[in-house]
Amino acid sequence: DQQVKQNSPSLSVQEGRISILNCDYTNSMFDYFLWYKKYPAEGPTFLISISSIKDKNEDGRFTVFLNKSAKHLSLHIVPSQPGDSAVYFCAAVFGNEKLTFGTGTRLTIIP
Amino acid sequence: GAGVSQSPRYKVAKRGQDVALRCDPISGHVSLFWYQQALGQGPEFLTYFQNEAQLDKSGLPSDRFFAERPEGSVSTLKIQRTQQEDSAVYLCASSLVPYEQYFGPGTRLTVT
Repeated sequence: DQQVKQNSPSLSVQEGRISILNCDYTNSMFDYFLWYKKYPAEGPTFLISISSIKDKNEDGRFTVFLNKSAKHLSLHIVPSQPGDSAVYFCAAVFGNEKLTFGTGTRLTIIP
Repeated sequence: GAGVSQSPRYKVAKRGQDVALRCDPISGHVSLFWYQQALGQGPEFLTYFQNEAQLDKSGLPSDRFFAERPEGSVSTLKIQRTQQEDSAVYLCASSLVPYEQYFGPGTRLTVT
């Protein structure tokens, strides 16, 4: 049972435009959500997070939106840069901090 | 400062061999996690330590998997009698602030 889903395995976006990555979850007990970025042969790197009591969190070019009623969150990157090309994982957590990850979306920024 | 380190980075084992994977967390990080990432999938939780106490081992796939963190710092994940389905990247993460986990580069295990 996949509790966190990223339905788009890949996404290509022109440099300078907005990248929108989506994530859906099924477990209403999740109380914290995170986005991680992963380059090949490296571990995931924490990017941005949001508590379930908020609906938006912004950090520079990155904004995460949470829609609890739809059990949906999204990551917006604007403007997109070539260095943003990576695999992005959505993750959710409740209780003892163990992360439940989605399957990832490979983002390619086209120069 | 130094991040989370893992060794070895790559390990090839013959089916039936035992392997030991090491994780050095960020100094002072109380919590330590192990995850398994199969090809094309997201990382999946294996086990969690707070200091030396193993608080959750619900993700360990079988009794062939064993993890320890005897002094609350370095951790070792041991897999006995490796099987082909154990082939994956094993990721270690540590955290000081709840929910913000810092990952190591992983150990890629290939069982032949």
